[in-house]
Amino acid sequence: GAGVSQSPSNKVTEKGKDVELRCDPISGHTALYWYRQSLGQGLEFLIYFQGNSAPDKSGLPSDRFSAERTGGSVSTLTIQRTQQEDSAVYLCASRKGTGVLTEAFFGQGTRLTVV
Amino acid sequence: GESVGLHLPTLSVQEGDNSIINCAYSNSASDYFIWYKQESGKGPQFIIDIRSNMDKRQGQRVTVLLNKTVKHLSLQIAATQPGDSAVYFCAETGAVSSYKLIFGSGTRLLVRP
Repeated sequence: GAGVSQSPSNKVTEKGKDVELRCDPISGHTALYWYRQSLGQGLEFLIYFQGNSAPDKSGLPSDRFSAERTGGSVSTLTIQRTQQEDSAVYLCASRKGTGVLTEAFFGQGTRLTVV
Repeated sequence: GESVGLHLPTLSVQEGDNSIINCAYSNSASDYFIWYKQESGKGPQFIIDIRSNMDKRQGQRVTVLLNKTVKHLSLQIAATQPGDSAVYFCAETGAVSSYKLIFGSGTRLLVRP
């Protein structure tokens, strides 16, 4: 597609359940980022993929959070045993590869509500 | 997590006035900076960018200023319009060695009619 696509747009889950959030980046973009945004707050970096390099996982808040990027394209963010404090909007962005100083393009986000 | 803003500051301006939004960045090695606009319920959208070898860049109604000495960015919006009401974030990144994109704490801009 023309832009970054995230699914689902909204997800309500029960505490303790696992959830998977999906991101389809812009075709050809080798860099992919996940951020978390709590209500009324800024963007918290979670994880970053660049090509075939090992991802930068330094922002993942706990071992309940993990992410994969298959074939250098689609990415899935998984949250295991969800807690109420995981409720937030999860944003994905993609960007052209290293050496090209361009902006990142964001999807519309997935609003996760843990009840 | 890195660089998360708490309780976003708010800038209220009269329609037609100029707005100035400020941002302090953290990494002196960053060499590329971006301003994003985020409207309610949407993902951030690109406004304007600047490289570290510049100190000013102008777009349509927007100007970004970079002061590397004090690690400060500003976004100037001329003749602010109601449609400019949003949250504005600055972001910093390195070049080849570090492509991580880190966001500053945002500022909410409210435009009074």
